[in-house]
Amino acid sequence: EAQVTQNPRYLITVTGKKLTVTCSQNMNHEYMSWYRQDPGLGLRQIYYSMNVEVTDKGDVPEGYKVSRKEKRNFPLILESPSPNQTSLYFCASSFSPGQGARETQYFGPGTRLLVL
Amino acid sequence: GDSVTQMEGPVTLSEEAFLTINCTYTATGYPSLFWYVQYPGEGLQLLLKATKADDKGSNKGFEATYRKETTSFHLEKGSVQVSDSAVYFCALSDQTNAGKSTFGDGTTLTVKP
Repeated sequence: EAQVTQNPRYLITVTGKKLTVTCSQNMNHEYMSWYRQDPGLGLRQIYYSMNVEVTDKGDVPEGYKVSRKEKRNFPLILESPSPNQTSLYFCASSFSPGQGARETQYFGPGTRLLVL
Repeated sequence: GDSVTQMEGPVTLSEEAFLTINCTYTATGYPSLFWYVQYPGEGLQLLLKATKADDKGSNKGFEATYRKETTSFHLEKGSVQVSDSAVYFCALSDQTNAGKSTFGDGTTLTVKP
């Protein structure tokens, strides 16, 4: 089954404790992206990757890191989480952004993070 | 920068009512436009899209037309069902800055029997 998976689905942590949220897709997509969803703010893009070893900042990259060492995986790293990073996080992937039919994004189920 | 503005919600309708959710955008280039839907407890999934001016996207009875002159992409459905209750997001992908995606704030639709 074609899908985007995220782990963990739920996470409670404390301020300053490094964490990683994993994202994996099995569709051989070139493009992957991370978003956060907050009430009243919609989805905001954190980082995206056009291909292996190619990453770029979205609209809200502060406090986050990413890496793309393999095509299928795109982990989101919070080196020192703070309470304002409490949010619902989504990973997404697509074949090719900016290319019509190939730019539909497929989303993972989400990771709900609470930072105390 | 790019932006997407959706009509404010929440929206509550009775079953079989007509639905319109307004969406307008600003973009520096020539964007593709999307409507995504998020059902409770799930991730977003594509509802429909249009990649150039005057294109009409349609799916599951929903329609939206890419209007370049009014920079709009309003979502419509002639007769909503209870199962359409969800959050709807308008989004754009700008071809001049491939990789950047901009989403609206989302509109929560509740359909009552």
